[in-house]
Order: sequence, then structure tokens, then C-alpha cells
Amino acid sequence: EDQVTQSPEALRLQEGESSSLNCSYTVSGLRGLFWYRQDPGKGPEFLFTLYSAGEEKEKERLKATLTKKESFLHITAPKPEDSATYLCAALRGTGRRALTFGSGTRLQVQP
Amino acid sequence: DVKVTQSSRYLVKRTGEKVFLECVQDMDHENMFWYRQDPGLGLRLIYFSYDVKMKEKGDIPEGYSVSREKKERFSLILESASTNQTSMYLCASSFIRERWTDTQYFGPGTRLTVL
Repeated sequence: EDQVTQSPEALRLQEGESSSLNCSYTVSGLRGLFWYRQDPGKGPEFLFTLYSAGEEKEKERLKATLTKKESFLHITAPKPEDSATYLCAALRGTGRRALTFGSGTRLQVQP
Repeated sequence: DVKVTQSSRYLVKRTGEKVFLECVQDMDHENMFWYRQDPGLGLRLIYFSYDVKMKEKGDIPEGYSVSREKKERFSLILESASTNQTSMYLCASSFIRERWTDTQYFGPGTRLTVL
């Protein structure tokens, strides 16, 4: 059974304090690893897709990396507007074409 | 920009009512999905469709049905709403590239309360 586990469940940072969110996955023949940002009461907003181990992608203060077992979302010098829940999802390489989501990391950045 | 819209942001229904949630996407995507999101359980797949009139069950299809009569529209139907179907419902769409699902784009969600 496919599994995606995110840690920590919640993270509180001071503005400017860099940190990383973890996403570990057990998926048959990973096809893609996706990161989303979700604000309260809204739908997830797409951030990154990673397709192979060693791949990295960046967007403003966020950088996503991928290994064969996990992915990290690094947040450099965060600002209060980065506060949100960050979701990780995996797509298997065969069979069902739907994502398996983790439960998310709720990030709060205090000024 | 991809746009996925959902018919209602908030909905309140009574137990036993038939409920329709509608989703429309404007990017000619083949794939469309319905998820529900509950605290501590994350997003769980209810149904998905990879073509008009085609559908497949997800992880939690019980109590739900779907309809896809046109490519851009995917409806979720609660035949007889129950209180345990109170949740946030999210629709998503994606296109098929090289036979595999590409990035899923989500709508704003419908917060359904069943009394």
C-alpha cells in the first residue's frame, strides 16, 4: 500500500529562521513527487513537481529536493506570509493515476 | 492560468438530502478528481475520471457517485447525505502526458455541513 508521511505535523519559526519539512514515501515505482501549499479554507496551490532522485527545484524562499525515499522542502529566511500548511503527494509509476497525500505540515512564521 | 471552479464555497444540507457538487475546469484536462479533506486524515480520493463517461472508484467511494457527461465538468453526488459526510470537498484536474497523470490543479473547495 502506498504511504506518504510528513513531519513535523506543526512547526513554528521566527521570521528569518530557516528550516526544512520532511516527506517520506513508500510508493511503487515513483512517477512524481508533488508539493502544494494550502491556506486555511482554500484549495491546495501547486508548488513543485520532482521526478527523479537528485532533482531540485526552487521558487523564491522555497527549495524542494528528492531522494529515493524522501523529499525535503527547505524554507530559507521565511516571512509571515509563508505561514500555511504544506502538503506532499506521490504518484506511483503504474496503475492508478491518482495522488497519495501526506497529512501535511502546518507552518507558522512569527514576525 | 489553469482554472478549476466549484459550484459552492459553503453548503448546508440536512440528513437524507440528495446533494450535488459541481466542478468545472477550463484547460481541456482529461483527468478530474474528487477528494475530501478532514483534519488528521489528509486528502482522500473519492472518485476520479480519465475521460467523458469514464469513472473509477478511489479509496472511499461509499455513499458517493459521480457523473462526467462533458469533458470540462465533473459532478459529485451524495445520494442521501449523512452527518459523517460533513467535510471539505476538493476537485482537481490534470492532463495526461505520455499516458501518465501530470500535475493536479485544485479548485477552491466546498465546505459541506450535513445537519
